[in-house]
Amino acid sequence: GQNIDQPTEMTATEGAIVQINCTYQTSGFNGLFWYQQHAGEAPTFLSYNVLDGLEEKGRFSSFLSRSKGYSYLLLKELQMKDSASYLCAGETGANNLFFGTGTRLTVIP
Amino acid sequence: NAGVTQTPKFQVLKTGQSMTLQCAQDMNHEYMSWYRQDPGMGLRLIHYSVGAGITDQGEVPNGYNVSRSTTEDFPLRLLSAAPSQTSVYFCASRRQDTQYFGPGTRLTVL
Repeated sequence: GQNIDQPTEMTATEGAIVQINCTYQTSGFNGLFWYQQHAGEAPTFLSYNVLDGLEEKGRFSSFLSRSKGYSYLLLKELQMKDSASYLCAGETGANNLFFGTGTRLTVIP
Repeated sequence: NAGVTQTPKFQVLKTGQSMTLQCAQDMNHEYMSWYRQDPGMGLRLIHYSVGAGITDQGEVPNGYNVSRSTTEDFPLRLLSAAPSQTSVYFCASRRQDTQYFGPGTRLTVL
């Protein structure tokens, strides 16, 4: 089967850096997605990692280690609007995604 | 482009009723999916498709049917609604490594 673990809640200060970790166990792993979801809204795509290493997109970066079954999302220069849930999802087979329960991030002044 | 559209936004059903949740995308994406989201459970995949005429079951397919007769449309049918199907339903379409979600349908089954 498939399993994804990520912390339930995190708190960080405006302007700081926060790292949200995600570990997964699966067979037939293709890649790993990160999404942001504000309360009451649909998820929005942040990143998709297939290869090992770090990918940077502005203030957000995502890292993947396939051998360790591990990923993280790094958010820099935190802003109040970054308060949201961050969802980690693995892909096994074409378009077959399994999600973690999400990490609720609260950014405080 | 309208992106991914879902109708209705809200729906209340009685146990045993059937209905279809509509999903359409105008981006010519081959991949489409249906998810449900429940508190504390995260998103769970119901059914997915990798192209017109091709569908497959996800993690929680029981009680739901799908079809993909065109690239644009991917309707989800509830055969006989049950209170356990009360949830928020999201449709998504995907181009390569980017997935776009629709706004969601909030369904309550009494």
